[in-house]
Amino acid sequence: LAKTTQPISMDSYEGQEVNITCSHNNIATNDYITWYQQFPSQGPRFIIQGYKTKVTNEVASLFIPADRKSSTLSLPRVSLSDTAVYYCLVGDRYNQGGKLIFGQGTELSVKP
Amino acid sequence: DARVTQTPRDKVTEMGQEVTMRCQPILGHNTVFWYRQTMMQGLELLAYFRNRAPLDDSGMPKDRFSAEMPDATLATLKIQPSEPRDSAVYFCASGLDQRDNTEAFFGQGTRLTVV
Repeated sequence: LAKTTQPISMDSYEGQEVNITCSHNNIATNDYITWYQQFPSQGPRFIIQGYKTKVTNEVASLFIPADRKSSTLSLPRVSLSDTAVYYCLVGDRYNQGGKLIFGQGTELSVKP
Repeated sequence: DARVTQTPRDKVTEMGQEVTMRCQPILGHNTVFWYRQTMMQGLELLAYFRNRAPLDDSGMPKDRFSAEMPDATLATLKIQPSEPRDSAVYFCASGLDQRDNTEAFFGQGTRLTVV
């Protein structure tokens, strides 16, 4: 099972681009990389999933290098409302054989 | 707009009382997860079901917690007797357990306070 490592916290200012990197050295061939976002007092929300190269949607971009041993979630021009915890998960069929297990995540604080 | 519905949203109870939390998963989803979240422990998986069958409840204190899915539209998490250390936010999530899928949908949570 792929273990993930991501920074515990990050600070940013409104209007900046934020990049959160996740390490997953033992990612398996069938594994996907998924990011969830959790706002205070809410449940986590799926924001993006990728397998390789780059994926972009209306919320974020996900960059995955060729070796897939890490990935970077990119949030363009953050606002105060992007303050949240961001979780990186790696696996197929959720991230642990059908189970969905969350680590500590990265607490992003966006300041005015 | 399909969503996971949890009730109640907030619950305050006295130590020793029974607490039942309910979750209505999204129609058609075959997997239901129960989580507990505290500042100290983060988001912990308590139990999960696939096609209404409990697959893993190793994260749950067995002596006081129980989780069931009486039918496809209802999942319950019960604590009896409740203790102050059970105070937390409890989340339910549902999804489709299938290859290539890693998306689960979470409810708004039940904030439990045991005094």
